[in-house]
Amino acid sequence: TQLLEQSPQFLSIQEGENLTVYCNSSSVFSSLQWYRQEPGEGPVLLVTVVTGGEVKKLKRLTFQFGDARKDSSLHITAAQPGDTGLYLCAGVGNKLVFGAGTILRVKS
Amino acid sequence: DAGVIQSPRHEVTEMGQEVTLRCKPISGHNSLFWYRQTMMRGLELLIYFNNNVPIDDSGMPEDRFSAKMPNASFSTLKIQPSEPRDSAVYFCASSGSGRDNEQFFGPGTRLTVL
Repeated sequence: TQLLEQSPQFLSIQEGENLTVYCNSSSVFSSLQWYRQEPGEGPVLLVTVVTGGEVKKLKRLTFQFGDARKDSSLHITAAQPGDTGLYLCAGVGNKLVFGAGTILRVKS
Repeated sequence: DAGVIQSPRHEVTEMGQEVTLRCKPISGHNSLFWYRQTMMRGLELLIYFNNNVPIDDSGMPEDRFSAKMPNASFSTLKIQPSEPRDSAVYFCASSGSGRDNEQFFGPGTRLTVL
């Protein structure tokens, strides 16, 4: 069974701080996705990383795929209250395998 | 596009009752997924369909759960009889044949079984 472990589980920070969320697995995935979920809504895709070592930037968010395609990180620079939500990584195989998620709260 | 539509948004029922959750995927998408989300277990895939055919139902908890997709624009997830441990948020998602395999999620149905 492919498992994805995310850390930390919870993160509460002040507006303007930087943070990194990690997603680790013992399995290799063809690609990896990051989703963000707000209360009362379904997850929304942020990015897909495909190539080992790939780095993608989405405004203040930087996503990196590990060289071995087993792990990934999400770095947020100068976090804003609007970044608050649940961040989920998902390994792409014949189906998506989701991590447990990281709950981020950014206080103003 | 209206996105993935789920109904009802909230359902409160008593143990032993039958529950039916409904989903309308995005038009043109050929894959449909049912997920369950709880604090303890996170987001779990229950079953998915490709071109209306069930492909993988290994995530369906037990025989009390069943899912159908009679046509490309409608799917149901049924729980009969329901139990308190079925309380969760149930999401439906659909995807096309795009390279990124992006799944578009509906708003979910929050089920409470008393």
